[in-house]
Amino acid sequence: QSALIQPASVSGSPGQSITLSCTGTSSDIGYNYVSWYQQHPGKAPKLIIYDVNKRPSGLSNRFSGSKSGNTASLTISGLQAEDEADYYCSSYTTSSTYVFGTGTRVTVL
Amino acid sequence: QITLRETGPTLVRPTQTLTLTCAFSGFAVSTTGVGVAWIRQPPGKALEWLALIYWNDDKRFNPSLKSRLTLTKDTSKNQVVLIMTNVDPVDTATYYCAHRLDWGQNWFDPWGQGTLVTVSS
Repeated sequence: QSALIQPASVSGSPGQSITLSCTGTSSDIGYNYVSWYQQHPGKAPKLIIYDVNKRPSGLSNRFSGSKSGNTASLTISGLQAEDEADYYCSSYTTSSTYVFGTGTRVTVL
Repeated sequence: QITLRETGPTLVRPTQTLTLTCAFSGFAVSTTGVGVAWIRQPPGKALEWLALIYWNDDKRFNPSLKSRLTLTKDTSKNQVVLIMTNVDPVDTATYYCAHRLDWGQNWFDPWGQGTLVTVSS
């Protein structure tokens, strides 16, 4: 299985909105079990989106997820300094395995 | 509150076998639907899913690593053990274990803090 494709980096100014993409195939992203994780340097990943567009309890509504075909997206609105981190998409696959994306580094200018 | 913690050697020689333990609390791996996954991250690189063991002892492995991986669980000790054979320097990574809650809940939350394993002679 191949890693999901994410842009290496995305940047934005405080208060702006940015969108991260995650491209796969009909066997993974197309399967509707997409999740997103935020990872700050030296820390473990943290779940921020599951089932394409659902947020865990207590998570800021500035994070939202969507999907079109075999591409999933994570939008961060009202960008804040604390959002500077690496973001990974992940998908359950039709082979009953999991795959992660290549990761996107978000920089707050 | 669910917590997980990975333990294992920090240094392993090439061709040796790596054994990692995930000790957890706040859930039972015998509960229907529950799973424990292993994910790794080479320094400065992306996450890679390795394997997952379910409450019913069903196991799933990354196809590219399947021949080298073994997964077991000890329900009495609340532990899951990952064994990787014939390690190589490319296996140098931080290894994480993570919790999967239930049927159809195909995400991982929470994760352990991770343990860094270096493969070097």
